[in-house]
Amino acid sequence: GNSVTQMEGPVTLSEEAFLTINCTYTATGYPSLFWYVQYPGEGLQLLLKATKADDKGSNKGFEATYRKETTSFHLEKGSVQVSDSAVYFCALSDQGYSTLTFGKGTMLLVSP
Amino acid sequence: NAGVTQTPKFQVLKTGQSMTLQCAQDMNHEYMSWYRQDPGMGLRLIHYSVGAGITDQGEVPNGYNVSRSTTEDFPLRLLSAAPSQTSVYFCASSYSMPGRGPGGETQYFGPGTRLLVL
Repeated sequence: GNSVTQMEGPVTLSEEAFLTINCTYTATGYPSLFWYVQYPGEGLQLLLKATKADDKGSNKGFEATYRKETTSFHLEKGSVQVSDSAVYFCALSDQGYSTLTFGKGTMLLVSP
Repeated sequence: NAGVTQTPKFQVLKTGQSMTLQCAQDMNHEYMSWYRQDPGMGLRLIHYSVGAGITDQGEVPNGYNVSRSTTEDFPLRLLSAAPSQTSVYFCASSYSMPGRGPGGETQYFGPGTRLLVL
């Protein structure tokens, strides 16, 4: 079956530091890949996505590239802000399915 | 648009009680899903629907029931609550482009229902 593995947290950074959160996946088909973000006390919202190999998703300074050869979709940001503190979920959606398979989530804490 | 709404926001139940978590969306989305979020587990799929009258089980369906009589509503029923069902429940909806099947759509999530079963 499908699965998503992402690095455990919490990840603790100072403001303006570089961020990487690793995500790898296992899928039988050709999935679409997503990063969702959950701010404290809220639901999940889409951060970025990529639907085919070598696509790069980007939003709000975050980027992730769909690497089929390494089955990875690592999240990066060049300079984090305190407001980026949240839980980040990597997820995949297989073709033919309307649902998501999630990783366990990575908490990011950014201090001033 | 209100998007995806969920009620109640918070609920306390006693073991053995039943209840219905409500989910509604006003975006005319064909696909709807229920997930539960537990610490260290991420989100796991409970049940999902690809249209009115069509539902299917996800990864953790035991103890839950769903129906989809309208496009807008997708209630989740707990038949006999157990402490293991203490969790945060999220409803989500999505749609696919005309002529395309599901896969790759952005999911829109509700704010969640926090359930405590004593």
